[in-house]
Formats: sequence, C-alpha cells, structure tokens
Amino acid sequence: GAVVSQHPSRVICKSGTSVKIECRSLDFQATTMFWYRQFPKQSLMLMATSNEGSKATYEQGVEKDKFLINHASLTLSTLTVTSAHPEDSSFYICSALSRGNTEAFFGQGTRLTVV
Amino acid sequence: QQQVKQSPQSLIVQKGGISIINCAYENTAFDYFPWYQQFPGKGPALLIAIRPDVSEKKEGRFTISFNKSAKQFSLHIMDSQPGDSATYFCAASKRGTGNQFYFGTGTSLTVIP
Repeated sequence: GAVVSQHPSRVICKSGTSVKIECRSLDFQATTMFWYRQFPKQSLMLMATSNEGSKATYEQGVEKDKFLINHASLTLSTLTVTSAHPEDSSFYICSALSRGNTEAFFGQGTRLTVV
Repeated sequence: QQQVKQSPQSLIVQKGGISIINCAYENTAFDYFPWYQQFPGKGPALLIAIRPDVSEKKEGRFTISFNKSAKQFSLHIMDSQPGDSATYFCAASKRGTGNQFYFGTGTSLTVIP
C-alpha cells in the first residue's frame, strides 16, 4: 500500500517551546491530510482536516492558534504545537488521502512529551 | 456523539480461536467501513475494508461481515495468533465530506498461547 512517513517518531520538548511534526506521502499526492490525537488506550480523535493549498478545518474544541497546520504541497503537511504545555503530551498521528480514493493511509505517529 | 460504537473494549482469546469484534453505526450515508490494526507506539494500519454493497469480505484469516439493515459490521479473526495481539479500530466514512473517518473506541485483543 501507499506509504505515509511521519517525523519525528518521538520528541521531548520543554514547556513553552514549539514543536513541528511532519507528515509526508512518499508515493502519492495527498490532496487531503488528517491530524489526529490519541491518548493512551483511547481512540483517535480528529483534530483537523487540511486540503492542499487551503486553510485547515479544525474540529470543535481544537485551538487553531495552538495547533498550526500547514499543507503547502501535495506531499507534505506539518503540525506545529506552539507554546507546548505538559497537557499537550500525547500521540499525534497523521493520515493522507489522495483525490478520488477512499482509503486513507496513516503515518507511524509521533509521541510528544512536554516536560 | 459517538458515530461508531465498538465492542468489546477488550478481548482475550486462546491461540487458534476466533476473535470477534463488533461495530455499529447510525449514519446511513456511510459507504466505506475499514478496520485498522494498531500496535503500541505505531500508527494504525489498514487491515481490511468493506463497502455496503456486499455482506462479507474475506482476506486470509480476516473476515468482515456487514449487515446493512442492522447497521452493524464485525471483524472475525480466524485461527487467532499471539502476533494478532493489538488494538483494533473499526471506522466509517462517507464520500463527499473530505472522507472524514469516524473511529470506534477500539478493542484491545490479547491472544494467549
């Protein structure tokens, strides 16, 4: 199947700093990318949907100024957690979808720990 | 509101047995129902998926049964193996909405030798 690469897989940062997570579709053009957050032993919670070249659509309760999403090209989307706090510590996962396809492919996830 | 309900929350099965996980949905506009397998610290990986125009789909040891009238679908893992121990998520999506996926709450499967 198609490959979605997410980087980094783990990151530890200090409280108050910003962290950028990258999501790349390696062998297809991702017209839509999704960003999820997952707490331990829980389901995936959709944070936002981004379409290439347009602003991301955020789910209710997700602060768009805190979780900055950029989908500048058909193969790359980034999630920047700004002014991170310990409560932002979580597992973040991206998924990518190509135009006309139903199947979404997931990245490996990023474990963010804010200390 | 949980769009897709999944049960059980956890499941323990003997090696060689059948693992069954159930999901139910409300929105009849959903037209794609995938199952994902997730190992600790990894992203979900697509296992098998079905569309509502068929009642069953089988791929190796994995089978999806789909009941459109009851708005339910289930995953059957035949001859379960310890390597199948993982968390399984069902999901549903509909075309025309950016293919947003609605996930079930997950089932933690443990296959004991």
